[in-house]
Amino acid sequence: AQTVTQSQPEMSVQEAETVTLSCTYDTSESDYYLFWYKQPPSRQMILVIRQEAYKQQNATENRFSVNFQKAAKSFSLKISDSQLGDAAMYFCAYRSAYAGNMLTFGGGTRLMVKP
Amino acid sequence: GAVVSQHPSWVICKSGTSVKIECRSLDFQATTMFWYRQFPKQSLMLMATSNEGSKATYEQGVEKDKFLINHASLTLSTLTVTSAHPEDSSFYICSARDPLEGGQFFGPGTRLTVL
Repeated sequence: AQTVTQSQPEMSVQEAETVTLSCTYDTSESDYYLFWYKQPPSRQMILVIRQEAYKQQNATENRFSVNFQKAAKSFSLKISDSQLGDAAMYFCAYRSAYAGNMLTFGGGTRLMVKP
Repeated sequence: GAVVSQHPSWVICKSGTSVKIECRSLDFQATTMFWYRQFPKQSLMLMATSNEGSKATYEQGVEKDKFLINHASLTLSTLTVTSAHPEDSSFYICSARDPLEGGQFFGPGTRLTVL
């Protein structure tokens, strides 16, 4: 079974600064997808960014980018120019390319943004 | 992007009663939907996978007779918490798989409080 670990329960960043959230995973599969989801106080889950394991290029979405290290099974999220609206819980998630579409979530990281 | 709705957003019920939560995909047909449970300050835990026209697949430790799932159409899945007890109080989130895009889209969640 796959596991996803987020080692930082809480992180804090100054507005306009850059912060990196860590995520590691364990799998024996070679093809899979990785995601970062944001859950603001409204609790609506919002997809931030996704990465296909077969792609070597790191995914980017505006201020959000990932550092995908397949050999190390690491998938960190970098948020540049942090904004107050970025404050939320962030969940890293894994999905197998072989079996169904279920997501395995990490424990989450609470990001606080200081004005 | 695809939209998933849930109803109700918040429900309070007495112990021993049953509560039905609806999950709808509004602008796409979802052959597969997922039900999650989230306790305060914790991650999402997959309860079951709901497949249109067939029985749901429950995760280990989830009582299928207590959490009844019905996926009668391509746009609607329901979760019924039967004989609810205070320990069933939680935040329930559904998600739907868009078969065309392959992504998973989340509903806004339902807060259940059992008195």
